[in-house]
Amino acid sequence: DGGITQSPKYLFRKEGQNVTLSCEQNLNHDAMYWYRQDPGQGLRLIYYSQIVNDFQKGDIAEGYSVSREKKESFPLTVTSAQKNPTAFYLCASSMGSDLYRGNTEAFFGQGTRLTVV
Amino acid sequence: SQELEQSPQSLIVQEGKNLTINCTSSKTLYGLYWYKQKYGEGLIFLMMLQKGGEEKSHEKITAKLDEKKQQSSLHITASQPSHAGIYLCGATQKLVFGQGTRLTINP
Repeated sequence: DGGITQSPKYLFRKEGQNVTLSCEQNLNHDAMYWYRQDPGQGLRLIYYSQIVNDFQKGDIAEGYSVSREKKESFPLTVTSAQKNPTAFYLCASSMGSDLYRGNTEAFFGQGTRLTVV
Repeated sequence: SQELEQSPQSLIVQEGKNLTINCTSSKTLYGLYWYKQKYGEGLIFLMMLQKGGEEKSHEKITAKLDEKKQQSSLHITASQPSHAGIYLCGATQKLVFGQGTRLTINP
């Protein structure tokens, strides 16, 4: 079955450590996105990628990094520079690569809950 | 940058009642998504609207996009406990979202 998979579902990190969240899709989608969600709040865009080997900062990119070496994969690294990393992280993908003309349906993974201990 | 504002932020209704959630964009929309989320889970696609004046329905949920393509409403008829969750509107360009509306259905 086609879909988008995030792993792990729960992740614990010690302060000062980097950690990488995985996002894989087998939908042949060009565009992929990472969001952060805090309790009681909506989704805030961290990074997005329209095509392989290219990505753009979203609204809250500081303290995060991404790569897009393969079409199927868009991993997110939460670095030690991110001051408040504890949050729920969601990855999405969509067919459209023209972000300013609109997309077809966007599919979401089930999320990764990151906790700093 | 484009911003989406949802209202209300939180809504509690009695089972069986109708309700409406609104979404207003700071800029003209190329299209708008509505998603539903259960706490701590991913988003479930409800519908996408792209044309001014467009209206779509799925079961007891109806969404409309106004003619100017800057406002959308989501209406639930005869609400059920299964409708409870967080409803999010999102712009199809750049995939930015509103802050969500938390819906609680009381039996």
